[in-house]
Amino acid sequence: DSGVTQTPKHLITATGQRVTLRCSPRSGDLSVYWYQQSLDQGLQFLIQYYNGEERAKGNILERFSAQQFPDLHSELNLSSLELGDSALYFCASSGDAREQFFGPGTRLTVL
Amino acid sequence: AQSVTQPDIHITVSEGASLELRCNYSYGATPYLFWYVQSPGQGLQLLLKYFSGDTLVQGIKGFEAEFKRSQSSFNLRKPSVHWSDAAEYFCAVARPSGTYKYIFGTGTRLKVLA
Repeated sequence: DSGVTQTPKHLITATGQRVTLRCSPRSGDLSVYWYQQSLDQGLQFLIQYYNGEERAKGNILERFSAQQFPDLHSELNLSSLELGDSALYFCASSGDAREQFFGPGTRLTVL
Repeated sequence: AQSVTQPDIHITVSEGASLELRCNYSYGATPYLFWYVQSPGQGLQLLLKYFSGDTLVQGIKGFEAEFKRSQSSFNLRKPSVHWSDAAEYFCAVARPSGTYKYIFGTGTRLKVLA
């Protein structure tokens, strides 16, 4: 158990809908990272937050957004969903910045 | 641009045989290096990591990896594979400053024959 929690574990929705994925980092970790794992793109970095502020952006679509709240939990919002957004979404947190601890992931299925 | 290459998409070995999974990276400086394992439908489990120092790193489940700067490689090894090692293995690198975001390789799927 990494200490990072993600909810929900599974999410099934329809095209055009909007969903929110939630991540609670390990106690005390200020950094949160979001990754997407899909069959065609593999594992790729989406976005990083540090203590409430966006720190880095990767291959994140404009339809996707994220934020980190004062209690350090983070949410990834995915809107206007397409079939290709079906993937496993991981959250990771980090304290000393060298090592990231991954949550169990949220599996999103878009029908 | 930084990149990570895992040249072998699939590898099949017999139980008890030795294993080596290859990982090569392209980076401006020596990055932080990681190996993760993912069982079907599961999350990512860290096997081992390299930040600096001794280039031979010991990890969990009997795995080890060797960092070779001259070859830009960080290959994962296990002397005797168990059936439970069947999974997908990912090599990842992170820049040792700045955002520390991970760049993952495409993964190597390991099949173990009884």
